[in-house]
Amino acid sequence: KAGVTQTPRYLIKTRGQQVTLSCSPISGHRSVSWYQQTPGQGLQFLFEYFSETQRNKGNFPGRFSGRQFSNSRSEMNVSTLELGDSALYLCASSLGHQGAYEQYFGPGTRLTVT
Amino acid sequence: AQTVTQSQPEMSVQEAETVTLSCTYDTSENNYYLFWYKQPPSRQMILVIRQEAYKQQNATENRFSVNFQKAAKSFSLKISDSQLGDTAMYFCASSNNNNDMRFGAGTRLTVKP
Repeated sequence: KAGVTQTPRYLIKTRGQQVTLSCSPISGHRSVSWYQQTPGQGLQFLFEYFSETQRNKGNFPGRFSGRQFSNSRSEMNVSTLELGDSALYLCASSLGHQGAYEQYFGPGTRLTVT
Repeated sequence: AQTVTQSQPEMSVQEAETVTLSCTYDTSENNYYLFWYKQPPSRQMILVIRQEAYKQQNATENRFSVNFQKAAKSFSLKISDSQLGDTAMYFCASSNNNNDMRFGAGTRLTVKP
C-alpha cells in the first residue's frame, strides 16, 4: 500500500505570494491533518479534515486554509506569505478522526519564503 | 488545552545500552492517547509506540517500552539495546478524541558506536 505523498517536496516563494501544498493520504484513510515544523516552534498542529469537513484547527492566522476533496486528498493554502512561514509542512493521514488512530506522516514539503 | 513537555533537548547513548527519554503532559480530557514518534535525519516521521490513557498496562514494542504514570502525567520512553539506527529526533505527543495532536519540542538522540 502506498504511503502518504506530498507535492511538491521543495518550494521557494517570495514574500506576499501565495502557495498551495498537496497531500494524498493512504488509500482508505479519511482523515488528513497538517502540521508546521520549524526549528523555533517545533511541530504545530494546523488543521484536520475528515470527510471533506474541517474538524479541528490550531492557532494559526486565517492566511492558512485548507480543504479536502471527496477522494480524501487534501490541499493547504497559505496566502500573503511571510518570512516566518518558512518551514517543513507535514501532512498525516489516519483511518478516522478519532485520536486513537495512528497517524501516518508524509515526507513533507519544505517551503522557503524569501 | 493539551501541552506536552520534553525537558531533554539532546541525549546520547552507547550502542547496546539503554536510554530513557522523558515526557510530561497536561490535558483536561478524560480519554486521550499518548504517542512517541521518531523522525530520523531527513526521513519521515514514524510511530514508535502508543498508549491509551485508560489502559494501565505499559505499552511495549520490541526494544521500546513506556513508563506511563497517569497521576503524574508522565510518559517516558525506554529504548533497550540501542542501535545506530535509533539515532533520530523523538517526539512525544498527546491526542484527544478530536485528533488534535500536540507534540513536545523533541529530544535529539544520538547512538554512539
